[in-house]
Amino acid sequence: QVQLQESGPGLVKPSETLSLTCAVSGYSISSGYYWGWIRQPPGKGLEWIGSIYHSGSTYYNPSLKSRVTISVDTSKNQFSLKLSSVTAADTAVYYCARGYSSSRNDAFDIWGQGTMVTVSS
Amino acid sequence: QSVLTQPPSVSAAPGQKVTISCSGSSSNIGNNYVSWYQQLPGTAPKLLIYDNNKRPSGIPDRFSGSKSGTSATLGITGLQTGDEADYYCGTWDSSLSGVFGGGTKLTVL
Repeated sequence: QVQLQESGPGLVKPSETLSLTCAVSGYSISSGYYWGWIRQPPGKGLEWIGSIYHSGSTYYNPSLKSRVTISVDTSKNQFSLKLSSVTAADTAVYYCARGYSSSRNDAFDIWGQGTMVTVSS
Repeated sequence: QSVLTQPPSVSAAPGQKVTISCSGSSSNIGNNYVSWYQQLPGTAPKLLIYDNNKRPSGIPDRFSGSKSGTSATLGITGLQTGDEADYYCGTWDSSLSGVFGGGTKLTVL
């Protein structure tokens, strides 16, 4: 079955760039679907960060757009998130997920387990 | 402040029915499909409902969804203690981004 696994540093310094990767197994990214990133600050709700289609087209949350880049590496079957100029407000559990339909990214049916990222000096 | 508005908490007794509301606008719910997620403590969200009222394979029919205008509702019947979780609504927005509600904590008394 399709599985997603996030990886990356658990601690990032303020003003630096947060970089996470989501490895996909059980499905080839190049075959289709949207792939997304969602985050959840401690004790708070979900925030949609952005998504990327297998072809590379992207959608970003307007409130984060100036700092976010999502890319896909079909050769490694993974996609990545970069968030620049981080502050303590970016401390959260970061999830990667798959769009529930091959052409839709308004809902996600398969999620990674999530990875906690803390922004602190 | 979330784009979609949900009640912070709801509660009901085992075996009873509960509904969770999600209010938006014509920029989001009014012109797009709504999805619902269940998040058990310490776990990733799980898709319960998509396209307003469809259930993914494996989701029991105790869970249902509906939409009217700029609001949506999640219904859960035959409440079980295992249903205690946070529930989130989500949809697409005219800003070309996904949006979520603030979440509702369900307590099964």
